[in-house]
Amino acid sequence: ETGVTQTPRHLVMGMTNKKSLKCEQHLGHNAMYWYKQSAKKPLELMFVYSLEERVENNSVPSRFSPECPNSSHLFLHLHTLQPEDSALYLCASSQVIGSGNTIYFGEGSWLTVV
Amino acid sequence: TQLLEQSPQFLSIQEGENLTVYCNSSSVFSSLQWYRQEPGEGPVLLVTVVTGGEVKKLKRLTFQFGDARKDSSLHITAAQTGDTGLYLCAGAHNAGNMLTFGGGTRLMVKP
Repeated sequence: ETGVTQTPRHLVMGMTNKKSLKCEQHLGHNAMYWYKQSAKKPLELMFVYSLEERVENNSVPSRFSPECPNSSHLFLHLHTLQPEDSALYLCASSQVIGSGNTIYFGEGSWLTVV
Repeated sequence: TQLLEQSPQFLSIQEGENLTVYCNSSSVFSSLQWYRQEPGEGPVLLVTVVTGGEVKKLKRLTFQFGDARKDSSLHITAAQTGDTGLYLCAGAHNAGNMLTFGGGTRLMVKP
């Protein structure tokens, strides 16, 4: 139990579907993240919500849309995805204290786009 | 873009052997973290190092942060099959809370 819970753990969706990934953190942290992990590529930061501000990786396509209604919950809305978007999507949280911080990951949501 | 390079990318050894994984960058980091990730799971934090030259030990694992805070190593003594997994290093910069991840070292320890 890492304190960061992701649902669903596995998701198969068609390219015309709309789905959402959900993340909840029970650690009292003030920052939450979405990462993408593909085979043969380093972990890629997609979005950060930190101290109520959102920071995004400009290379992330608009078919991925994050939502952070409060400091404990984070969503990733998925719409008209492509097969190359199939990957492990990891949610994480941290307590931002000055420079650098320790990030705690959830177990990930395996996404397959067919 | 600051890059973290890990080596080797893949490592297959027998149980009982020692090994070292390296994490190198041309950038200076304010802190560096090591994670282990098992198949189908998210990365789990092993250690955070923050001071140049720092050495931390976690049972059979020894982590070292370079004096210039640009590189780090992970040494495992007498590897066990339970050490099998993907080892990731990640560096944090003073600019904020963004971590840069290395490409990972996939370790397999055979019985």
